[in-house]
Amino acid sequence: GAGVSQSPSNKVTEKGKDVELRCDPISGHTALYWYRQSLGQGLEFLIYFQGNSAPDKSGLPSDRFSAERTGGSVSTLTIQRTQQEDSAVYLCASSLEVAGAPTDTQYFGPGTRLTVL
Amino acid sequence: AQSVTQLGSHVSVSEGALVLLRCNYSSSVPPYLFWYVQYPNQGLQLLLKYTSAATLVKGINGFEAEFKKSETSFHRTKPSAHMSDAAEYFCAVTLNTGNQFYFGTGTSLTVIP
Repeated sequence: GAGVSQSPSNKVTEKGKDVELRCDPISGHTALYWYRQSLGQGLEFLIYFQGNSAPDKSGLPSDRFSAERTGGSVSTLTIQRTQQEDSAVYLCASSLEVAGAPTDTQYFGPGTRLTVL
Repeated sequence: AQSVTQLGSHVSVSEGALVLLRCNYSSSVPPYLFWYVQYPNQGLQLLLKYTSAATLVKGINGFEAEFKKSETSFHRTKPSAHMSDAAEYFCAVTLNTGNQFYFGTGTSLTVIP
């Protein structure tokens, strides 16, 4: 079936504007993850969802970042009042099972490249 | 707290030579460990994972990784590099409960013909 999809693939915005990034996980995957990959750095964990709930939001960099997931499927990551340091590739991944046993393969989307001018 | 350290942000090897990608972790409890690969302009793909079974894990394309608890390491090796192995490799760790993943900063592998 289809893999994880993300939209838009590229987003250029002005400092101070709000942006929404979308992730469509693989159908039936209960777990969904958001990461940020900055230039020259590794992946930074942001948040994960088990169904529609997010047990751990500690990875979100600031209160300008929020995420939600509806219907156990699509997720949106919202960044308010964007700053230049928010520029990065935002990756989404999904996997079948969570329930305290995170050994299932995460399938990554192609990412959204965000550039804040 | 958990963390992952990948020694060597760039590794260059000749085609046919041994490839060693280093990964060390810190964790207060036994972790799960993963290696991912990212080819240019593509998403991350899982290569192999350690989940407390066999300490030597075999992946695709001749790569394998060995979990050494005494050294808190999960280094990845391949006896003979191929041009198609050139990519960015990430090591990741998570605990046996919960789902927060910690990734290393990545190692860019260049294979010289």
